[in-house]
Amino acid sequence: GAVVSQHPSWVICKSGTSVKIECRSLDFQATTMFWYRQFPKQSLMLMATSNEGSKATYEQGVEKDKFLINHASLTLSTLTVTSAHPEDSSFYICSVVTGTGNYGYTFGSGTRLTVV
Amino acid sequence: DAKTTQPTSMDCAEGRAANLPCNHSTISGNEYVYWYRQIHSQGPQYIIHGLKNNETNEMASLIITEDRKSSTLILPHATLRDTAVYYCIVRSNAGNMLTFGGGTRLMVKP
Repeated sequence: GAVVSQHPSWVICKSGTSVKIECRSLDFQATTMFWYRQFPKQSLMLMATSNEGSKATYEQGVEKDKFLINHASLTLSTLTVTSAHPEDSSFYICSVVTGTGNYGYTFGSGTRLTVV
Repeated sequence: DAKTTQPTSMDCAEGRAANLPCNHSTISGNEYVYWYRQIHSQGPQYIIHGLKNNETNEMASLIITEDRKSSTLILPHATLRDTAVYYCIVRSNAGNMLTFGGGTRLMVKP
């Protein structure tokens, strides 16, 4: 199956700074990637859909100016958390659509962001 | 996509079969049942999926009732490494995203 690499696996940053998280599809050209966020002891919540070469589609309640998504190539999508606050501390996970129809999702290993 | 209901948590003895139920009473004809699991601090891992026939792979078996309103994921010989949160997701072929519910926290005990 497809291999998805997410980097970094964890990061600590100061309030007010920005953090970039990368999601790479190592062996598959991904037109679509998804970004999820997971707070402790909660389920994954979809944040946005990242489409190669076009603007991302954000879920209701997710600020597009705060969570910048860039999907400039078929193998890389980035999520930048701008002006991070402690409440942005969470586990961020990307997934790659690797097939059509009823199958074909591969998830990254996740990035734990802690804002201090 | 249809909503799913799963027990919050379950325990299973190591080496025994783990049977994880899922209710999806509002499932429609073109919706598939997917199972993923998430081990602590990792991304979700695909386990199995099916439409109406029972399915089996190297990880698990999926039993779907004839009316398709519920299903059971079976791990035939649970190990400690199977301790994880298991998510049952219903998704139509036309949809793209996966919507995660609360899942079942399976604890495999020695």
